Amino acid sequence: GAGVSQSPSNKVTEKGKDVELRCDPISGHTALYWYRQRLGQGLEFLIYFQGNSAPDKSGLPSDRFSAERTGESVSTLTIQRTQQEDSAVYLCASSVSRGGTQYFGPGTRLLVL
Amino acid sequence: DAKTTQPPSMDCAEGRAANLPCNHSTISGNEYVYWYRQIHSQGPQYIIHGLKNNETNEMASLIITEDRKSSTLILPHATLRDTAVYYCIVRAPRTNAGGTSYGKLTFGQGTILTVHP
Repeated sequence: GAGVSQSPSNKVTEKGKDVELRCDPISGHTALYWYRQRLGQGLEFLIYFQGNSAPDKSGLPSDRFSAERTGESVSTLTIQRTQQEDSAVYLCASSVSRGGTQYFGPGTRLLVL
Repeated sequence: DAKTTQPPSMDCAEGRAANLPCNHSTISGNEYVYWYRQIHSQGPQYIIHGLKNNETNEMASLIITEDRKSSTLILPHATLRDTAVYYCIVRAPRTNAGGTSYGKLTFGQGTILTVHP
């Protein structure tokens, strides 16, 4: 059906506030990825979920970042006590299985003032 | 995953073929070549991928050299909407024996393709 969707599309927040970003993967896709893209930069891997396996959190930049996924559905990325350097586009991707072709959502543009 | 090298920018006239090269001289036998593109302010878009053989789909063709150390993405009839950053990525399809996930994509700087009238 539809592709990967993300919400909100844009988020402006004040430094120190918490934000929650949502990703709806393509139906049936067991793998889900979060990436971050700062202005003019390439994509940075953040975290990867595969089915019921323990997530690969190796890309999370600090303990202020966390993510959850319920089964093989929606995922939320939470950033606590946001900092200005957290300003970026947060991209979600999903694939049918681990190692499969990843399809990206439109991203959430986060601006921390 | 093997590192890739791409030219930072290329120009192409509308209606002509755009040929985007990529070097991946350290590619391993089980690593695939993937191409994505990112149009301004949008998420990356999958284009095509291949292992050894040349591939073609509705968007593009992928030519992989016999030694697999380089590849070329071909957009046969470029349009203004093809202006984007094109990324060549090499990755293994599976988790290695040590448990490190190869699931993530590692994006380099890519090639900025500008299609002009």
